[in-house]
Amino acid sequence: AQSVTQLDSHVSVSEGTPVLLRCNYSSSYSPSLFWYVQHPNKGLQLLLKYTSAATLVKGINGFEAEFKKSETSFHLTKPSAHMSDAAEYFCVVSPHEGGGYNKLIFGAGTRLAVHP
Amino acid sequence: GAVVSQHPSRVICKSGTSVKIECRSLDFQATTMFWYRQFPKQSLMLMATSNEGSKATYEQGVEKDKFLINHASLTLSTLTVTSAHPEDSSFYICSARGTESYEQYFGPGTRLTVT
Repeated sequence: AQSVTQLDSHVSVSEGTPVLLRCNYSSSYSPSLFWYVQHPNKGLQLLLKYTSAATLVKGINGFEAEFKKSETSFHLTKPSAHMSDAAEYFCVVSPHEGGGYNKLIFGAGTRLAVHP
Repeated sequence: GAVVSQHPSRVICKSGTSVKIECRSLDFQATTMFWYRQFPKQSLMLMATSNEGSKATYEQGVEKDKFLINHASLTLSTLTVTSAHPEDSSFYICSARGTESYEQYFGPGTRLTVT
C-alpha cells in the first residue's frame, strides 16, 4: 500500500531564511513523488516531481526536493523564503505500476507561514 | 497550456436540492478526469475517476448514487451532488489528464455550502 506522511502540519519561518518541509512515503513500487502548492481559494500548482530520473529535483520558484530511497523521504527545501511562499504544501505519491501513474495519494499538508 | 476550469467557484444550496459542478479542460483533451474532496484544513481525498465515455470508478466509501459523475466529452466532466445535506459542504476539486502525459492538471475548486 502507498501512503505519504508530512511530518509538520505548520512551519513558520522568517523571510529570507531557509525552508524545509518534510515528507516521508511508503510504497510497494518505485513511486512517483510530487510537491503541490495551494494558495488560499486557488487550485493546486505543481512545484516539482520525481519520476525515477535524477534524485535531486528542481522545481519552480526556487524550490527543490531530494529523493532519498534509503530514508523513504522527499523533503522540500528552498534557500530563502519569500512572503509569497506562504501557502499550503502537499506531498503526493503515486504508484509506478506499469510505468505510468494514475491515483494520487495526498499527504495531510503543511501550512507554511512566512514572517517579515 | 494545460488549463482546467471549474464552474461555479462557489455555490450555496438548500438541503435536499441537487447541485452540478462542471470541470473543463480548456486547451487539451482530457481522457481522464478525477474528482477530489477537501474538508477544511484537511487534505484532498480522491472521490472518483472518470474516463471519457465510460462509467466512473468510485473510491471506497463514496456513494455513486449521491455523487453522479458524467464525462460525456473530452473536455467536460460534471459532478452532481444529489439531495445535498449540510455534511456535503466541502471544497470539490477536479483534475484532468490528457493523452500525452500522465500529469494531472488541477482546477481551482468549487466551494459548496449546503444550508
